[in-house]
Amino acid sequence: QSALTQPASVSGSPGQSITISCTGTSSDVGSYNLVSWYQQQPGKAPKLMIYEGSKRPSGVSNRFSGSKSGNTASLTISGLQAEDEADYYCCSYAGSSINVFGTGTKVTVL
Amino acid sequence: EVQLVESGGGLVQPGGSLRLSCAASGFSFSSYWMSWVRQAPGKGLEWVANIKQDGNEKFYVDAVKGRFTISRDNAKNSLYLQMSSLRAEDTAVYYCARDRRYCSGGICQSWGLDHWGQGTLVTVSS
Repeated sequence: QSALTQPASVSGSPGQSITISCTGTSSDVGSYNLVSWYQQQPGKAPKLMIYEGSKRPSGVSNRFSGSKSGNTASLTISGLQAEDEADYYCCSYAGSSINVFGTGTKVTVL
Repeated sequence: EVQLVESGGGLVQPGGSLRLSCAASGFSFSSYWMSWVRQAPGKGLEWVANIKQDGNEKFYVDAVKGRFTISRDNAKNSLYLQMSSLRAEDTAVYYCARDRRYCSGGICQSWGLDHWGQGTLVTVSS
């Protein structure tokens, strides 16, 4: 049940694209196409942004996209906007009904 | 509108106990798995426990096994987390969340936590 590894911070200018990686193991990210991504604004509850690796819930901007390769999942934010500044967490199903979160990434819009 | 409202947090001494509650509304509570997730001050998210729709299956992160118990009352649309033998490292905001799952052949796999409460702060300190 070790946390998935994310970069501590990622930054970009408005309009640019950024990618956040989420590295797990063959027991979690690598075994299931069940990675989800959450956005957390300061002082707020997390919000689901991506599920099943690449699907967006209703109401989430199509500037957010997800993918996976091997044991690493990725979240890409295109056309970066000031409102995207937040913490982002990945989460993977890890078998035996257990979920494991990533270490979290702070996104800064320059 | 789906709403999840946690309550029961507060200050407790090390070794003490506390019960958190989560009141659900706006959806058929008895049809969904539910989870508790916590976040220590200034730290990341940590999944704590989850429970099946009928309450017959429960799972925990190793750090709380034997100390925390998740339960639910579908008649009251409520989720609970009974915490005992509390430690300083249990200090965190505790969120309840609706846990979406695919189920096939008796195995249910989580694809995401699609609705969250606002959280309740638990502080373990003397």
